[in-house]
Amino acid sequence: DSGVTQTPKHLITATGQRVTLRCSPRSGDLSVYWYQQSLDQGLQFLIQYYNGEERAKGNILERFSAQQFPDLHSELNLSSLELGDSALYFCASSVGLPAGGYTFGSGTRLTVV
Amino acid sequence: EDKVVQSPLSLVVHEGDTVTLNCSYEVTNFRSLLWYKQEKKAPTFLFMLTSSGIEKKSGRLSSILDKKELFSILNITATQTGDSAVYLCGSGNTGKLIFGQGTTLQVKP
Repeated sequence: DSGVTQTPKHLITATGQRVTLRCSPRSGDLSVYWYQQSLDQGLQFLIQYYNGEERAKGNILERFSAQQFPDLHSELNLSSLELGDSALYFCASSVGLPAGGYTFGSGTRLTVV
Repeated sequence: EDKVVQSPLSLVVHEGDTVTLNCSYEVTNFRSLLWYKQEKKAPTFLFMLTSSGIEKKSGRLSSILDKKELFSILNITATQTGDSAVYLCGSGNTGKLIFGQGTTLQVKP
């Protein structure tokens, strides 16, 4: 157990729907990062939050949004889902800035049918 | 635009072989380069290399960082079937880590 908790582990939903993925960072970590991993794209950085504030943004679609709450857990919201959104979504956390490395959660497998 | 490129994308070897995985990077305000191993789900941390630590070793695995040529290599000696995995290289500054596509290593008995 890495200490980073992601729920749910698996999610199957239909196109056009909206889902929320949840991440609880490791105790003491202030930064949360979201990544999307699909077969042909590798690990793609989506967004970073640090102590409740958005810190960095990657190639995140406008249909996707995230936030980090006062208790430091984070949620990634995916809306108007398309087949191409099917992927493994990872959350990672770090104490502060990522130069010291991340700890990854076990991921949420999203399947859009 | 920041980018990390790994090569080869896939590799098949036999137990006992030595392998070298490559990672080149272009990252603004570079701070660190990290290697992860991904077997089934979550990537697990292997090494972090920075300006003050350009060579790391753990058992049969070792890694070096060439800051001048902007690349890193991960060496695995005496490979075992348990080394079969995707190896990810990530590089970052103070904002995020950018990862390469990964190298899929298959070690045959």
